[in-house]
Amino acid sequence: GDSVTQMEGPVTLSEEAFLTINCTYTATGYPSLFWYVQYPGEGLQLLLKATKADDKGSNKGFEATYRKETTSFHLEKGSVQVSDSAVYFCALMRRGGNEKLTFGTGTRLTIIP
Amino acid sequence: EAQVTQNPRYLITVTGKKLTVTCSQNMNHEYMSWYRQDPGLGLRQIYYSMNVEVTDKGDVPEGYKVSRKEKRNFPLILESPSPNQTSLYFCASSPQRGGPYEQYFGPGTRLTVT
Repeated sequence: GDSVTQMEGPVTLSEEAFLTINCTYTATGYPSLFWYVQYPGEGLQLLLKATKADDKGSNKGFEATYRKETTSFHLEKGSVQVSDSAVYFCALMRRGGNEKLTFGTGTRLTIIP
Repeated sequence: EAQVTQNPRYLITVTGKKLTVTCSQNMNHEYMSWYRQDPGLGLRQIYYSMNVEVTDKGDVPEGYKVSRKEKRNFPLILESPSPNQTSLYFCASSPQRGGPYEQYFGPGTRLTVT
C-alpha cells in the first residue's frame, strides 16, 4: 500500500540556519504530494503541494520539489525563524482515490534564538 | 471566517460510555473526513464522506461510526469507547472530489478513555 517515510525528529536548529526535512514515498501511479504544518494546539495547515513530477511547491520561504526518480519530496528553507517551530508532516494523495491523505509520522522542529 | 470546528476539544471518559465528537464546516465543502493522530504513526483516516448520505470506511474504522445527514456536519460516534481509542482526533474537509484540493483541518479533539 501507499506509505510516506520522513526523517525522525526532533530537529533543533539555530535561527537563520538552513533546514532540510527528508521525505520519501511509496505509491502506485503518480500521487500528489503535500507538506502540512501543525503549530502547537492547532490543526494541520497546508504548507505547500506539488501535483506532478518536477513541480516545485513553495510558500513562506519553504520549498519542496517532486522527484519521481528518487520518490522524494524533501522540505527546505534557507533561513529558519523561531516562528517556524512546529511539527511538519509529509503526505501523499493518490489520484482517483477517496481523497485520503497518507501521512508520514511527522517531524518536530524547534528553532532556538 | 472559513473554518472547521470540533467539539469538545478535550474529553476524558470511561470505557463503554458512548460519546459523540461533533465536526462542522462553514465552507460548503462536499468532502469530509476523520483522522486520528498517534505518536509514531502520523495521522490515519477513520471514515470519510464524499457527500450527504455517502460515507465509507478509511484505514482504521473499527469501533467508530459516522453520519452525514447535512452537508456541514460530520459527527464521529464511539458507541463503546475503549482505552485503545485514546488519541487526538481531527476532522477535515475539502471542496469536492477530483482535486487535489487543500484539506482544511479542525483544531483537534484530545480524547482519553480510562
